[in-house]
Amino acid sequence: DVKVTQSSRYLVKRTGEKVFLECVQDMDHENMFWYRQDPGLGLRLIYFSYDVKMKEKGDIPEGYSVSREKKERFSLILESASTNQTSMYLCASSDGGTAAYYGYTFGSGTRLTVV
Amino acid sequence: DAKTTQPTSMDCAEGRAANLPCNHSTISGNEYVYWYRQIHSQGPQYIIHGLKNNETNEMASLIITEDRKSSTLILPHATLRDTAVYYCIVRVATNFGNEKLTFGTGTRLTIIP
Repeated sequence: DVKVTQSSRYLVKRTGEKVFLECVQDMDHENMFWYRQDPGLGLRLIYFSYDVKMKEKGDIPEGYSVSREKKERFSLILESASTNQTSMYLCASSDGGTAAYYGYTFGSGTRLTVV
Repeated sequence: DAKTTQPTSMDCAEGRAANLPCNHSTISGNEYVYWYRQIHSQGPQYIIHGLKNNETNEMASLIITEDRKSSTLILPHATLRDTAVYYCIVRVATNFGNEKLTFGTGTRLTIIP
């Protein structure tokens, strides 16, 4: 019954490294989202995508980029990781026809630590 | 998007009904109320949503006041597995499913054995 899968549960990277966080959904959803979650700040939207090769900035896109080459896969890229990007990263997807009834489906998250 | 206000934390005895309030006094006529919850170390999970009528599903009930300025999520018989952070969100719902969800800090509900 796996629906949104994030490639890593825990990740430790060094400052300055290029980091790829991968998200795959098996529900044929058009829309995919990347959030980060920090204590006291809740979830904040980084980027989202309405379709293959399309992307839109969320509320905190600085220091991040995304790639969506295939419908089922949405990658978050940290071009040069910094310690203030240590966080929990959550991927979500939604379908145009059912989101109003079933909401968004989230992955289990990737806890990234930048040292 | 309308801003929501929720208590930071609540406790509820196991087996009792848990009533989680949410204020959304600036809600617009076309904005829905959504509830999600996040169990520790997992992603948020959709629970229920409504526009102006009360709603019920297998997880919970949603009571929206007549003026729509507030709502209450009811877990009828809380279990220890309902311990989680509960988020109340208001947003326009479209058939595109691409509306951004803005999460606040939610209510941390603890079910007491």
